[in-house]
Amino acid sequence: NAGVMQNPRHLVRRRGQEARLRCSPMKGHSHVYWYRQLPEEGLKFMVYLQKENIIDESGMPKERFSAEFPKEGPSILRIQQVVRGDSAAYFCASSPLIGQGGTEAFFGQGTRLTVV
Amino acid sequence: QKEVEQDPGPLSVPEGAIVSLNCTYSNSAFQYFMWYRQYSRKGPELLMYTYSSGNKEDGRFTAQVDKSSKYISLFIRDSQPSDSATYLCAMSGHGSGNTGKLIFGQGTTLQVKP
Repeated sequence: NAGVMQNPRHLVRRRGQEARLRCSPMKGHSHVYWYRQLPEEGLKFMVYLQKENIIDESGMPKERFSAEFPKEGPSILRIQQVVRGDSAAYFCASSPLIGQGGTEAFFGQGTRLTVV
Repeated sequence: QKEVEQDPGPLSVPEGAIVSLNCTYSNSAFQYFMWYRQYSRKGPELLMYTYSSGNKEDGRFTAQVDKSSKYISLFIRDSQPSDSATYLCAMSGHGSGNTGKLIFGQGTTLQVKP
């Protein structure tokens, strides 16, 4: 049973370009969380999705950031018109159950975005 | 004030030492308390979690939660060089409306020297 798969592992974008980060949850998991880790900081919650639904996006920046989790395929975190401040590691976690306090959430290896 | 405070360290100890890692928090609604280990350039790995107050032991690791003081701890006995990593505390709520999102501390970097 493969773990949470994130790709690409490393992504370099120039300022103003778009970044697309993908997350395939563990088999049987239908809940996905996205977190961002800035240098020397802990992980910050961004968004929580179930298949075809955004449940909690309270941590998402108001502009340029969007997320989806379609019925088929991976969850996508999209950042439009990237700026240097978007450089960070982006992690996704998947869970089989709703709101289990995070105790059943498993993290992927992350995508490291560098904006040049 | 951050919801979860954690001393970033770094913390350096000799092999075999007992390590104590701590977090404080301000939100009394937190009910689940987790400790994650994160190696450099890797994803966080859940070490153990505690629901509400009390202690939990797993091998060389012991987690403690004191809700009255809003203070949690992770103890590592007989520390090994392979324990060198960043340790993140994380917390979550409970009950209806809880989405399972985690609030993390900043992480403490631990180095265990042979």
